[in-house]
Amino acid sequence: DAKTTQPNSMESNEEEPVHLPCNHSTISGTDYIHWYRQLPSQGPEYVIHGLTSNVNNRMASLAIAEDRKSSTLILHRATLRDAAVYYCILRDVYDGNKLVFGAGTILRVKS
Amino acid sequence: DTEVTQTPKHLVMGMTNKKSLKCEQHMGHRAMYWYKQKAKKPPELMFVYSYEKLSINESVPSRFSPECPNSSLLNLHLHALQPEDSALYLCASSQLRADTQYFGPGTRLTVL
Repeated sequence: DAKTTQPNSMESNEEEPVHLPCNHSTISGTDYIHWYRQLPSQGPEYVIHGLTSNVNNRMASLAIAEDRKSSTLILHRATLRDAAVYYCILRDVYDGNKLVFGAGTILRVKS
Repeated sequence: DTEVTQTPKHLVMGMTNKKSLKCEQHMGHRAMYWYKQKAKKPPELMFVYSYEKLSINESVPSRFSPECPNSSLLNLHLHALQPEDSALYLCASSQLRADTQYFGPGTRLTVL
């Protein structure tokens, strides 16, 4: 079962930063926090992942709370191409590393 | 090349038909996956193959039969499906099971 809670939808203006929250209050010590997104009519694509420390890559940043019970995906400058469903997923190394997708957040970007 | 290809893109079949979905990757990945995604729902894991052996079957009905003939190819054989099996079927691959998964665009299946 999905172990994360995300808002159903969010809206952002183009060229502005977007902060997508995720709650995972039952996270275990072996859970990695992964983010994938699914653009319209495409398969999901990997965005970023982390365990305890904040992470940056060319697509986004991941801020992880000190107690690991929540995290935030940060898109620094949203573009129309970033409109997608964003999934926050806990991946447990002791549960076959399965990706168990929750409902996700629909991100709409306005021009 | 980080591409996973899936054929066909669309498939319409009757409940008595037998058909197959195909997935291919040439990234040298040793783990491959099938997911099912109903409209406006998240993907659900069906099967996981690791080194061409089935390692996870998420209690999928036997009318879905996966096959991994080699490290680059994954098939999903379909037989006697029901209309409620209509969905987008996604294939993914990863270097190993703990690694990032790369998804194909999916096959949209309609069962009449």
